[in-house]
Amino acid sequence: SAVISQKPSRDICQRGTSLTIQCQVDSQVTMMFWYRQQPGQSLTLIATANQGSEATYESGFVIDKFPISRPNLTFSTLTVSNLSPEDSSIYLCSVDVGGGYNYGYTFGSGTRLTVV
Amino acid sequence: TQLLEQSPQFLSIQEGENLTVYCNSSSVFSSLQWYRQEPGEGPVLLVTVVTGGEVKKLKRLTFQFGDARKDSSLHITAAQPGDTGLYLCAGAPTGGTSYGKLTFGQGTILTVHP
Repeated sequence: SAVISQKPSRDICQRGTSLTIQCQVDSQVTMMFWYRQQPGQSLTLIATANQGSEATYESGFVIDKFPISRPNLTFSTLTVSNLSPEDSSIYLCSVDVGGGYNYGYTFGSGTRLTVV
Repeated sequence: TQLLEQSPQFLSIQEGENLTVYCNSSSVFSSLQWYRQEPGEGPVLLVTVVTGGEVKKLKRLTFQFGDARKDSSLHITAAQPGDTGLYLCAGAPTGGTSYGKLTFGQGTILTVHP
């Protein structure tokens, strides 16, 4: 299955600033997925990123707050904009492991964001 | 909206004990996936169950998918400290337009004491 390199692994940011998270995959993939995870808790899907089209956002997440780029089939970025302490979370990207529809996913190692 | 109820939320046991984690829903899933996550890492896929009634074994771990594909369980036999971590179940919805839209359970934090 694919290997994902995600960076930064962690960051501390000031309120009102933005953080851009990068995910690089070692193979071409059609879709990439971005999740948010409160420490020690479950994952919530933010959006699905397709190459060549706008990302599809889940309920409660909007493009102005979480702009996503997908310039090619191996790379994507998620920006968390206008940061507030409520944005402190772990952000993860993921891709399909292959093997068929919804068979399983590989995740990046995550970006732990702390907003102060 | 599909929900997946995972229990228990916390488990603290001694090495050598057995344990079971449950995931239950009123919705039908096309597959049910189990992940294990360690601090500072992303979730790692352990197994995917697809067929109702399916049972899969991975060394000391046994995974079951309910007959109606609405629930699943993870049983660990003779737990070891290396099993410590966050266990997550995730349901994949039915329907071709729902690709990738996993529903995750709340997670079970397992601590195995030597």
